[in-house]
Amino acid sequence: NAGVTQTPKFQVLKTGQSMTLQCAQDMNHNSMYWYRQDPGMGLRLIYYSASEGTTDKGEVPNGYNVSRLNKREFSLRLESAAPSQTSVYFCASSGYRDSYGYTFGSGTRLTVV
Amino acid sequence: AQSVTQLDSQVPVFEEAPVELRCNYSSSVSVYLFWYVQYPNQGLQLLLKYLSGSTLVKGINGFEAEFNKSQTSFHLRKPSVHISDTAEYFCAVTSAGGTSYGKLTFGQGTILTVHP
Repeated sequence: NAGVTQTPKFQVLKTGQSMTLQCAQDMNHNSMYWYRQDPGMGLRLIYYSASEGTTDKGEVPNGYNVSRLNKREFSLRLESAAPSQTSVYFCASSGYRDSYGYTFGSGTRLTVV
Repeated sequence: AQSVTQLDSQVPVFEEAPVELRCNYSSSVSVYLFWYVQYPNQGLQLLLKYLSGSTLVKGINGFEAEFNKSQTSFHLRKPSVHISDTAEYFCAVTSAGGTSYGKLTFGQGTILTVHP
């Protein structure tokens, strides 16, 4: 099915470990985003990529890095995981023809112990 | 910069009753407004959006919202809810241009619980 695919769906890390969350979309969208969702705080933008080859910081970028590998793929890396990064992470994409109606992935539930 | 405030963190309601989920926004420029729904353990799904034109916007699953520029509000309504509407609802805003173009800012979410 067309859409946004995130892997993995679940992950448990120890403090200090690193990992990369993968995201791929097959809708030929220009823009891609990484959000984190925490109870009572809604979704907060970590990083975004307005187009292939560009990335910019969002509201809560500290502790994260991103790579826009090509038009389809946008990965999020945690270099040294901390318990404060325990969250649900969502990738989303949008295209101009969508009039900003983001398509979201199903999320990655990350626990850092 | 823009911000969104959802005025109710939880809204309990009985089946077949009407419901209103309230959303206020703040922005110094023209905005686009959205409502998303998140069912348990799923991603977010677009319910409806306001870009321009008629201030009353109809979406999926019988929901509608009204854009009120003077009150900077975008409240979501449904005349008769079903058990299946139980979910968390998010209001979101983006500027209609400028550096925030295309980046959504979300409210804190409202959990709608429909009781039989």
